[in-house]
Amino acid sequence: GDSVTQMEGPVTLSEEAFLTINCTYTATGYPSLFWYVQYPGEGLQLLLKATKADDKGSNKGFEATYRKETTSFHLEKGSVQVSDSAVYFCALSWGGTSYGKLTFGQGTILTVHP
Amino acid sequence: KAGVTQTPRYLIKTRGQQVTLSCSPISGHRSVSWYQQTPGQGLQFLFEYFSETQRNKGNFPGRFSGRQFSNSRSEMNVSTLELGDSALYLCASSLSDPSNQPQHFGDGTRLSIL
Repeated sequence: GDSVTQMEGPVTLSEEAFLTINCTYTATGYPSLFWYVQYPGEGLQLLLKATKADDKGSNKGFEATYRKETTSFHLEKGSVQVSDSAVYFCALSWGGTSYGKLTFGQGTILTVHP
Repeated sequence: KAGVTQTPRYLIKTRGQQVTLSCSPISGHRSVSWYQQTPGQGLQFLFEYFSETQRNKGNFPGRFSGRQFSNSRSEMNVSTLELGDSALYLCASSLSDPSNQPQHFGDGTRLSIL
């Protein structure tokens, strides 16, 4: 079945450092890919998405490119802030009859220190 | 525009009891999905409803059930509670097809089983 694997966490960075969180997926075909962020005590918020190969999703300085050759969707940000501290989830979904079903990675905890 | 509202935020139950959780989607959204979040299993899809019909279901036992009302509000019910049901339950709404449109998450209901 489908699966999403994220890099082992937690990740601890200093403010203004470069961020990469790796995400790879296993699926037959080309699903839509997402990054969600969860702040303490809150639900998930969509950060960015890409629906086909070579698409680049971007939002709030975060970027991720859908790479079908490496089945990857790595999240990057050039300069992190303390306010970026949160849990980040990579996810995939299909169209058709897979209504609502997001398959998530295990999440990566990011802590940014001043 | 009001977000997704889940009630209650916290719930404590004992083994063998049953529980009902409520989710009010964003106005105009007709699709509601439910997820269970635990430290061990991560985020897992429970089911999705659209126009009062369940369109998709995850791999959970029959003790987990849901329904959707004509105003798109949704409830999920868990009967004969077990210790392993302790989790954060999240619901998400989208306009119609959650595989193509962003899912907006509520802040969740934290269920603790004693």
